[in-house]
Amino acid sequence: DTEVTQTPKHLVMGMTNKKSLKCEQHMGHRAMYWYKQKAKKPPELMFVYSYEKLSINESVPSRFSPECPNSSLLNLHLHALQPEDSALYLCASSQDAGSPDTQYFGPGTRLTVL
Amino acid sequence: DQQVKQNSPSLSVQEGRISILNCDYTNSMFDYFLWYKKYPAEGPTFLISISSIKDKNEDGRFTVFLNKSAKHLSLHIVPSQPGDSAVYFCAAGHNQGGKLIFGQGTELSVKP
Repeated sequence: DTEVTQTPKHLVMGMTNKKSLKCEQHMGHRAMYWYKQKAKKPPELMFVYSYEKLSINESVPSRFSPECPNSSLLNLHLHALQPEDSALYLCASSQDAGSPDTQYFGPGTRLTVL
Repeated sequence: DQQVKQNSPSLSVQEGRISILNCDYTNSMFDYFLWYKKYPAEGPTFLISISSIKDKNEDGRFTVFLNKSAKHLSLHIVPSQPGDSAVYFCAAGHNQGGKLIFGQGTELSVKP
């Protein structure tokens, strides 16, 4: 089973709203990732969690706040977003973040910021 | 600085023929390479990978070739099927953490 689940599938929010994206995996993976993908572009790495600790933050604005409550769950808290933050947000997981490894992606959350 | 490049934004192939998707990289530290397939509004699906100690890896209709001296990899799909129509991303990683660097993608269209 290589399934990563994400909720919600679609989200529309205003610039003053606070919302959260959720990601879950039950593969026993110890690394989890958040990516952002705009249309016709490759996925852009935002954050990496390794063993529930934030190991990489790709200079993401503070209006995006990741959280890893346990080894299976990853959240992305959103606050005061801008319309240009509208994109497909992808979660991924892999066995380990310390060495090259296959990352398995969830279906994504399509976010629209009005 | 684009470390992973897919120079063909699109490719059109007839059903039953071979599809060849190409990817070039510049960072000689990369030692693990992957191909992902992506349908619109879905997450990328892992297809096949290869480590730098090999030059070929095969899985059913999909074969990835790695030419380290040329810093080039390719994905061969034989025979191509209409359901293969999607955007294909190559990605590369190395031992310094979990980052994967993705190419820009190639949109494959397989015509019946």
